[in-house]
Amino acid sequence: AQRVTQPEKLLSVFKGAPVELKCNYSYSGSPELFWYVQYSRQRLQLLLRHISRESIKGFTADLNKGETSFHLKKPFAQEEDSAMYYCALSSPHYGGSQGNLIFGKGTKLSVKP
Amino acid sequence: EAQVTQNPRYLITVTGKKLTVTCSQNMNHEYMSWYRQDPGLGLRQIYYSMNVEVTDKGDVPEGYKVSRKEKRNFPLILESPSPNQTSLYFCASSSPQRVNNEQFFGPGTRLTVL
Repeated sequence: AQRVTQPEKLLSVFKGAPVELKCNYSYSGSPELFWYVQYSRQRLQLLLRHISRESIKGFTADLNKGETSFHLKKPFAQEEDSAMYYCALSSPHYGGSQGNLIFGKGTKLSVKP
Repeated sequence: EAQVTQNPRYLITVTGKKLTVTCSQNMNHEYMSWYRQDPGLGLRQIYYSMNVEVTDKGDVPEGYKVSRKEKRNFPLILESPSPNQTSLYFCASSSPQRVNNEQFFGPGTRLTVL
């Protein structure tokens, strides 16, 4: 069965500290993985996608197929990074679109001054 | 402005009183989905639609109905709401034609069933 696991409900760090939000998945095929972010009182928005191999707002995430992980990392956390972060996996309908996303339960990141 | 809109944003109702939450997108997206967000459970998909007249169940479809008569609209129907459907609901849309294939979310509808 497809599943996304985010083991930490809450992660609290100080400003300037490194941060790593963990995400593990179970999927029998070739996964498409994403990180979404939800700032306070705002809608969810895409942060990054593993295929793009990009860095957004200083965040990066590398897909590790051996460990079935897609951890989100940032070397120096900022207060404005405080938000809910959701890892998501795409079921390959119609060529791997995001039409059917499976989300983890989310990790609340709190960056203290 | 490209966006997904939901109405109403807030709703308090009573058990058994049928309600509809509307969702509309102006981006000509093929895919639309409904999620509910609950503390400790994250986002769970209720229903999704690949295109007009094509819908399928997500992870938690019980107690919900949807329809996709037009490409831009994807209403969520609760025929007989119950208190366990009290939640924050999000509609989302996406298109396989887009680079990055980003899923766009609506602002959410907070529903309370008494």
